Amino acid sequence: GQQLNQSPQSMFIQEGEDVSMNCTSSSIFNTWLWYKQDPGEGPVLLIALYKAGELTSNGRLTAQFGITRKDSFLNISASIPSDVGIYFCAGHFGPGAGSYQLTFGKGTKLSVIP
Amino acid sequence: DTAVSQTPKYLVTQMGNDKSIKCEQNLGHDTMYWYKQDSKKFLKIMFSYNNKELIINETVPNRFSPKSPDKAHLNLHINSLELGDSAVYFCASSQSWDTVYNEQFFGPGTRLTVL
Repeated sequence: GQQLNQSPQSMFIQEGEDVSMNCTSSSIFNTWLWYKQDPGEGPVLLIALYKAGELTSNGRLTAQFGITRKDSFLNISASIPSDVGIYFCAGHFGPGAGSYQLTFGKGTKLSVIP
Repeated sequence: DTAVSQTPKYLVTQMGNDKSIKCEQNLGHDTMYWYKQDSKKFLKIMFSYNNKELIINETVPNRFSPKSPDKAHLNLHINSLELGDSAVYFCASSQSWDTVYNEQFFGPGTRLTVL
């Protein structure tokens, strides 16, 4: 099935640093979603993107829907210890595309050193 | 107010047993999903129901049978449990499957351990 390439696989950063991660696909998506999963919890939706080129912020988080519709990135500014977790990108082809599910990346595990 | 809830949170059982996991959403969504997350944290869709009707059935052993008594509930029954079934199972829901606004909201997960 469709795969998303998410990178990096893991990151160790110092508290206060900015973080960037991205996802690329060989197919065009109509929606990109970014989730965060804390240990022992379910993924929580952070940001949803619906238009190519769209740039959306949620507090210290900023995500962009790539112009080609085949990629997306997530930035976290001034990281804090509670940013620790696994971040997943997910793409959706949209209605009428013959596929109804989200395709998930393999996740970026973020560790923040105080 | 929990949007998507699952029970139980933890399930430890012997090989060969049959077990069920329950899921409920109070978001008024039409579509519900079951995902399996393996030890490498990869999220794999198993099933999806829209208004009690099955719309996605990925390559999953017949031992797994979902049931949706109404659109707010989607349960997962597993027969003859095997060691490889050990994983975290997540329920999720979204407004509808056939809209561009397919934001999915996840439950807290059920950690299944088969001994």
